[in-house]
Amino acid sequence: AQSVTQLDSQVPVFEEAPVELRCNYSSSVSVYLFWYVQYPNQGLQLLLKYLSGSTLVKGINGFEAEFNKSQTSFHLRKPSVHISDTAEYFCAVSEGSSASKIIFGSGTRLSIRP
Amino acid sequence: EPEVTQTPSHQVTQMGQEVILRCVPISNHLYFYWYRQILGQKVEFLVSFYNNEISEKSEIFDDQFSVERPDGSNFTLKIRSTKLEDSAMYFCASSDASGYGYTFGSGTRLTVV
Repeated sequence: AQSVTQLDSQVPVFEEAPVELRCNYSSSVSVYLFWYVQYPNQGLQLLLKYLSGSTLVKGINGFEAEFNKSQTSFHLRKPSVHISDTAEYFCAVSEGSSASKIIFGSGTRLSIRP
Repeated sequence: EPEVTQTPSHQVTQMGQEVILRCVPISNHLYFYWYRQILGQKVEFLVSFYNNEISEKSEIFDDQFSVERPDGSNFTLKIRSTKLEDSAMYFCASSDASGYGYTFGSGTRLTVV
């Protein structure tokens, strides 16, 4: 069975500082990996996804993530955060062979301090 | 860009009432899903639907829940007798066979009073 662990429930960061949100997964099959962002009282917005190919994936709003198969990790990074990045971030995984359910992590609340 | 559309955006219902949440998936997608997010918690898988039948369901998806694709465009989630603990944001999603096009709707916030 697949699972996702987001190691930090909350990450406070000063504006313009870099940030890394950590995500580890477990699966017995090849996987697709996702990061979603959820702004307060809103739906899920896809930041980026890894399906195959280059292990460094670039997404929207200046975010990127790196797939590391040996460490079963998919950490999200941004070199310089903005107040508008304040949100909940969810890492997620699905089986990579076909359309299947997505399993979400418990989320990381990113709070940006001016 | 194609979207998954959910209606209504917010629904308030009395405990014990039936509620139907509606979704219009992306037109060429074949796989449909419902997820639930209780306030402040993570997003949880409820059910997947393919070829007019349920392909997988979670333990949350008990006999109070049902899904239907009544026509060629809509995908619905019915809760027969709502409980207070059914209050949550419900997300619909659809996907093509490869999984590349997995797309979520903006959600329906269900409040049971």
